[in-house]
Amino acid sequence: DTGVSQDPRHKITKRGQNVTFRCDPISEHNRLYWYRQTLGQGPEFLTYFQNEAQLEKSRLLSDRFSAERPKGSFSTLEIQRTEQGDSAMYLCAREIGANTGELFFGEGSRLTVL
Amino acid sequence: DQQVKQNSPSLSVQEGRISILNCDYTNSMFDYFLWYKKYPAEGPTFLISISSIKDKNEDGRFTVFLNKSAKHLSLHIVPSQPGDSAVYFCAARGRFSGSARQLTFGSGTQLTVLP
Repeated sequence: DTGVSQDPRHKITKRGQNVTFRCDPISEHNRLYWYRQTLGQGPEFLTYFQNEAQLEKSRLLSDRFSAERPKGSFSTLEIQRTEQGDSAMYLCAREIGANTGELFFGEGSRLTVL
Repeated sequence: DQQVKQNSPSLSVQEGRISILNCDYTNSMFDYFLWYKKYPAEGPTFLISISSIKDKNEDGRFTVFLNKSAKHLSLHIVPSQPGDSAVYFCAARGRFSGSARQLTFGSGTQLTVLP
């Protein structure tokens, strides 16, 4: 148990629909991360939060993507007007190492866009 | 631009023998290197890390070696067990401003330990 819950585990949607993923860390860790993983690739950084502040966003995060962490605890990642290229595993992680980059990942939310 | 590369997509090893997984990087500003293991339908699990100021870190059956001059790191698993069969990702964290906290991952190596 990594202390990170993600919901839903799997989402199938039609192109053009909006989807939202939720991440609940076990405790209110300062730093929370979103990554995306496609088949045959390693996870790619999307964005991260320190408390409720979104401090960095990857260029992968187009205008159709938005992430929030309103109270510094759970976080949501919304994708608007989904495209087939958005099909991927979306991973949330909390940082455990004080300054080492060690992350505890959740089990991920798999998105399939038809 | 792939800053972290794992050139072997797969590796098969006999149970009890040593598994050696390799990783190369291009950016000399990375300050921490990490290995993650991933089973199907699960998120990556942190395995072991090493600071750029060290050349070796050991944790039980797992040892990570860092060769900064060659920009190369490797993970040794000995003895290998069937339960070690998984995809192994190498990752690196940079010290450069603006992206100081993100990890850059390689594409992974599928390790299969044969009984």
